[in-house]
Amino acid sequence: SQELEQSPQSLIVQEGKNLTINCTSSKTLYGLYWYKQKYGEGLIFLMMLQKGGEEKSHEKITAKLDEKKQQSSLHITASQPSHAGIYLCGAPPGSGNTGKLIFGQGTTLQVKP
Amino acid sequence: NAGVTQTPKFQVLKTGQSMTLQCAQDMNHEYMSWYRQDPGMGLRLIHYSVGAGITDQGEVPNGYNVSRSTTEDFPLRLLSAAPSQTSVYFCASRPQGNGELFFGEGSRLTVL
Repeated sequence: SQELEQSPQSLIVQEGKNLTINCTSSKTLYGLYWYKQKYGEGLIFLMMLQKGGEEKSHEKITAKLDEKKQQSSLHITASQPSHAGIYLCGAPPGSGNTGKLIFGQGTTLQVKP
Repeated sequence: NAGVTQTPKFQVLKTGQSMTLQCAQDMNHEYMSWYRQDPGMGLRLIHYSVGAGITDQGEVPNGYNVSRSTTEDFPLRLLSAAPSQTSVYFCASRPQGNGELFFGEGSRLTVL
């Protein structure tokens, strides 16, 4: 079965610093989703990447998909306390369209003011 | 639109009790799924459905039942609750084709 490994598992950065979270798949990626979760709350959709080499940005968050490496990276520029939370990557387990995703274990981000 | 609605938000059960977590979506999505979230383990898929009348098992289906009698509803039943089922449960839905998976706000379950 496919597994997604996120690194690092946790991260503490000073406000204003840049950071990167990686999500590596054990099998071919057929799309990659990034979500953010504040502690005790639901999941907020950040972005979806569908094609190798695709890159998307929303405000100060940029995500890229490297099909060959079976990996996606999420980069935050000039971090702010509002960026703190748990970041989760998810991917469809195979090329079939069943609407289900498997997820990585999550990366917990703390931003120190 | 309300999106994906889960009830209850909090529940405490005793070992051996049964209960149903309700999930409803008003977006006419074909795909629905249930996940559980435990510390350090991300989200794990319990059961999913690709349409009314069709369900299938995910990664961790033991101890849970589902049914999909309508497009809108996808309840998750705990047959005989165990402490290992203490978790936060999320219901999600998605339309056919590629697109965002919409999540409910979660249901926090504690089994004593």
